[in-house]
Amino acid sequence: DAGVIQSPRHEVTEMGQEVTLRCKPISGHDYLFWYRQTMMRGLELLIYFNNNVPIDDSGMPEDRFSAKMPNASFSTLKIQPSEPRDSAVYFCASSLPLPGSVDTQYFGPGTRLTVL
Amino acid sequence: EDQVTQSPEALRLQEGESSSLNCSYTVSGLRGLFWYRQDPGKGPEFLFTLYSAGEEKEKERLKATLTKKESFLHITAPKPEDSATYLCAVVWADKLIFGTGTRLQVFP
Repeated sequence: DAGVIQSPRHEVTEMGQEVTLRCKPISGHDYLFWYRQTMMRGLELLIYFNNNVPIDDSGMPEDRFSAKMPNASFSTLKIQPSEPRDSAVYFCASSLPLPGSVDTQYFGPGTRLTVL
Repeated sequence: EDQVTQSPEALRLQEGESSSLNCSYTVSGLRGLFWYRQDPGKGPEFLFTLYSAGEEKEKERLKATLTKKESFLHITAPKPEDSATYLCAVVWADKLIFGTGTRLQVFP
């Protein structure tokens, strides 16, 4: 398996522009997670899906952030409009279900976003 | 209140100098604790999962242990290729809560 695939790997944009990050999870994984990593706050969960349905979006910082999962093999995280404080590395991860707990999450290589 | 705290923030070791990284947590009824390794410019890579106090797991020079309040990642005779940031995470409300990591540098 190719693992979790993310695109683009790097994104540089100007404040106010729309940014779309993409993720393809590992085939057969029911769960998909979006994380943001910064030096100050570490790795933070933004939102996660189970079988394409958003389960918990409490980590989404503002209404400027939205995420969708139209099918089992594709998800997007959109920021509109983008702001300099959104600059971070965004990771997508996927996992199998594990009753009563959380199964191993496998991470993609990340998208480094810079908002000027 | 921080649920996961890792220490030290950074650790510099000479090659062959064994040491331990700490991960303390405050969640009650632990349902799993994960260790990940992260290299610069890459996503976290899974190392271990521990579920109950007293459990231990090993992989090459790494051994993870778990008590009711904390986990340790022991590194025996480290090599420069072990240099990375080590993250721990606990299961809470069907999610993983990550610590801020320990940045390990091993010098030849």
